[in-house]
Amino acid sequence: NAGVTQTPKFQVLKTGQSMTLQCAQDMNHNSMYWYRQDPGMGLRLIYYSASEGTTDKGEVPNGYNVSRLNKREFSLRLESAAPSQTSVYFCASRHPADLYNEQFFGPGTRLTVL
Amino acid sequence: QKEVEQDPGPLSVPEGAIVSLNCTYSNSAFQYFMWYRQYSRKGPELLMYTYSSGNKEDGRFTAQVDKSSKYISLFIRDSQPSDSATYLCAMSASNTGNQFYFGTGTSLTVIP
Repeated sequence: NAGVTQTPKFQVLKTGQSMTLQCAQDMNHNSMYWYRQDPGMGLRLIYYSASEGTTDKGEVPNGYNVSRLNKREFSLRLESAAPSQTSVYFCASRHPADLYNEQFFGPGTRLTVL
Repeated sequence: QKEVEQDPGPLSVPEGAIVSLNCTYSNSAFQYFMWYRQYSRKGPELLMYTYSSGNKEDGRFTAQVDKSSKYISLFIRDSQPSDSATYLCAMSASNTGNQFYFGTGTSLTVIP
């Protein structure tokens, strides 16, 4: 049981390049999330998916797109990377009936945009 | 104004000390309160969960919620070097929704 996995772990992009961050979970969770974590800003929600086939914007969606490929996988795409998107990106998943409101986080992707 | 405010620290204490971590919030609709622990270069992990006001204890950890003051706390007794991490508070208005609001995190170092 791997939990939530993310690839890649590290990435360096030049301004204007595109890339897709991959996330997968093996806990049969319906809900999945993408956050970014920046110093002094905490975790901020980019997009979330309540179930397969649905996605919704979070607090900071501009510059990002997402795809809920199936129940297991939720990808985050940067179409034209900007230095302001330098951050640590975390994917998380959650069972909607979880008694403790617990989100399970992946290990993160450290992205630098030059 | 941010939904959730948390003092980022850093906080440095000797082993065995009692640690107090705090968050304030502005949205009176928040009912569910969580504390996550995040070790360096790792993802956050749920540490404590509290619904509405009151206290909850789990081993050396106690979570307190005061909804009248919009203030939550996490206490760590007999702190250990293994407690060195960043602690994030998180809140939501619903346990079926998908909007969670996190504090910025407090960095804690416990010195042996």
